[in-house]
Amino acid sequence: QVQLQEPGPGLVKPSETLSLTCTVSGGSLSSATSYWSWIRQPPGQGLEWIGYIHYSGSANYNPSLKSRVTILVDTSKNQFSLKLSSVTAADTAVYYCAHYGDRDAFDIWGQGTMVTVSS
Amino acid sequence: QSVLTQPPSVSAAPGQKVTISCSGSNSNIGNNYVSWYQQLPETAPKLLIYENNKRPSGIPDRFSGSKSGTSATLGITGLQTGDEADYYCGTWDFSLTTRVFGGGTKLTVL
Repeated sequence: QVQLQEPGPGLVKPSETLSLTCTVSGGSLSSATSYWSWIRQPPGQGLEWIGYIHYSGSANYNPSLKSRVTILVDTSKNQFSLKLSSVTAADTAVYYCAHYGDRDAFDIWGQGTMVTVSS
Repeated sequence: QSVLTQPPSVSAAPGQKVTISCSGSNSNIGNNYVSWYQQLPETAPKLLIYENNKRPSGIPDRFSGSKSGTSATLGITGLQTGDEADYYCGTWDFSLTTRVFGGGTKLTVL
């Protein structure tokens, strides 16, 4: 059973770069039908898709965040990562990593990690 | 403002049935599969329904999904207090070229 694990909560200063890594356990990240995703949820608000990446390195991003987002994959460590640059308080949210597969849905989620942007 | 429109809240008594609507357009629901997620308090979302009306293993048949045109509906029968949660619909929007979610519906079981 594939499980996803994000790191603990974090604090990032305004204008800096938010960095998170998600570790995939119980299965391989190198599946042809899998896309490894990041989704966020600001406090008290709904879900926002950030983007996803295939193990081949092909990525797709939310156009509203595309200029600031990079998602990378490391198949040797079975991990994928998120970098969000030039953060502001509006980027404060719980960040989830999730698996998107051939069900055309996000079927496996990490527990989420709270990231606060504050000086 | 979410691309997909859901009612902010719904409520019903234990044992009753409730439906949650998700309204979109031809660029999203009208031409793509819809999925539904349950988010219990302080937990990560969980997939309830995929491809409009299919349930992953382990999801009871009290939960059902349907789609008609540019709208989708989640149905829950035999309501339990443990069903109190936020429910989100999601799909792909080919005009925005992004995956989109509804704003979420808070279910209260009175």
